Amino acid sequence: KAGVTQTPRYLIKTRGQQVTLSCSPISGHRSVSWYQQTPGQGLQFLFEYFSETQRNKGNFPGRFSGRQFSNSRSEMNVSTLELGDSALYLCASSLDGRGNTEAFFGQGTRLTVV
Amino acid sequence: GQQVMQIPQYQHVQEGEDFTTYCNSSTTLSNIQWYKQRPGGHPVFLIQLVKSGEVKKQKRLTFQFGEAKKNSSLHITATQTTDVGTYFCAANTGNQFYFGTGTSLTVIP
Repeated sequence: KAGVTQTPRYLIKTRGQQVTLSCSPISGHRSVSWYQQTPGQGLQFLFEYFSETQRNKGNFPGRFSGRQFSNSRSEMNVSTLELGDSALYLCASSLDGRGNTEAFFGQGTRLTVV
Repeated sequence: GQQVMQIPQYQHVQEGEDFTTYCNSSTTLSNIQWYKQRPGGHPVFLIQLVKSGEVKKQKRLTFQFGEAKKNSSLHITATQTTDVGTYFCAANTGNQFYFGTGTSLTVIP
């Protein structure tokens, strides 16, 4: 079966701009979680969506938002980009999003803010 | 708040040496998962532990879940250069799911 697809793979944006990242989960998976990864910082949890509802949210400013569509595809938006937003953004899909089943990660979107 | 700490943060070993990373939670867990992220890659699921005191092996990798279900460890015997990467534990508290801080393993040939 097809894996988790994230688009785009690479992105360069200017400070102050906004960006939208997309994640298509594995077919049948209703949970999509988003993570920010920077060197030495591990996986910082952004939010988790399940059946179009945000169930959990990490400690990120309101500039970071997301949504999930009825087909479980999810988008993440970052407004008013700052240099510190440069990172690898990973999404993970799973059946329940609670850690009872394996999470499958996409290849990630590498965002560079200049 | 809920945290899942992993130690050490970094580990350099000579090829052939053993390696262990530890994962500690402040609360009792329903289960714990382990993931490996190769340099330039994305995290990939390795295993899930559910039962108190559970031990599972995958070739040179041994995974343990503590008796109190609050900690876990991953031990690699006789490391190889292919073991390079960051190892994450992921803790399930029953209603939330947290990734640990990760341990970055470097294997020196």
